[in-house]
Amino acid sequence: QKEVEQDPGPLSVPEGAIVSLNCTYSNSAFQYFMWYRQYSRKGPELLMYTYSSGNKEDGRFTAQVDKSSKYISLFIRDSQPSDSATYLCAIGSGGSNYKLTFGKGTLLTVNP
Amino acid sequence: GAGVSQTPSNKVTEKGKYVELRCDPISGHTALYWYRQSLGQGPEFLIYFQGTGAADDSGLPNDRFFAVRPEGSVSTLKIQRTERGDSAVYLCASSLLSSTDTQYFGPGTRLTVL
Repeated sequence: QKEVEQDPGPLSVPEGAIVSLNCTYSNSAFQYFMWYRQYSRKGPELLMYTYSSGNKEDGRFTAQVDKSSKYISLFIRDSQPSDSATYLCAIGSGGSNYKLTFGKGTLLTVNP
Repeated sequence: GAGVSQTPSNKVTEKGKYVELRCDPISGHTALYWYRQSLGQGPEFLIYFQGTGAADDSGLPNDRFFAVRPEGSVSTLKIQRTERGDSAVYLCASSLLSSTDTQYFGPGTRLTVL
């Protein structure tokens, strides 16, 4: 079993839709949870991070962590064509959470 | 300010050759990381530098891979006797002070081994 599992999609939605992206992880010691966005032929860029269970909101994006189920989610409201990208969940481990373990990424296309 | 830069952006080489990939971190960032991203996969951790020293090289797949950061800024990832399985995008990231700070990624070097 991989440490971080993520459905690679692809996922195609109409503009304005609510998008839900999910990952599961296996190691309960993980404590730092992130979502990165990666456009084609670019490096990943950090969208959101959290250390705790619960929800964290930033504009149209909400990150949700459920440590009891080892499940993390990213919700995108009012999705835009510019949101079309690959979304990667990442979990930090190592003494100071520096070693990021990424999911495979979900390719999202938002159609105008 | 300038982000993380990586050169070359693309590298094509033949099996058995030696390659060097360069990373210029964001100015002032003391922590530097290398990751490898194979097609259809997420990035995989290779090595972490704090200053000039490799604090964790547990992700390097074998002894053909080596990385240096002699002056605590620019880093070079070196791959000896390249194999076709080494083909991937090699990503570099840097963070400001400690490993808890946000990692900023460069655009990567796409390595193709023929």
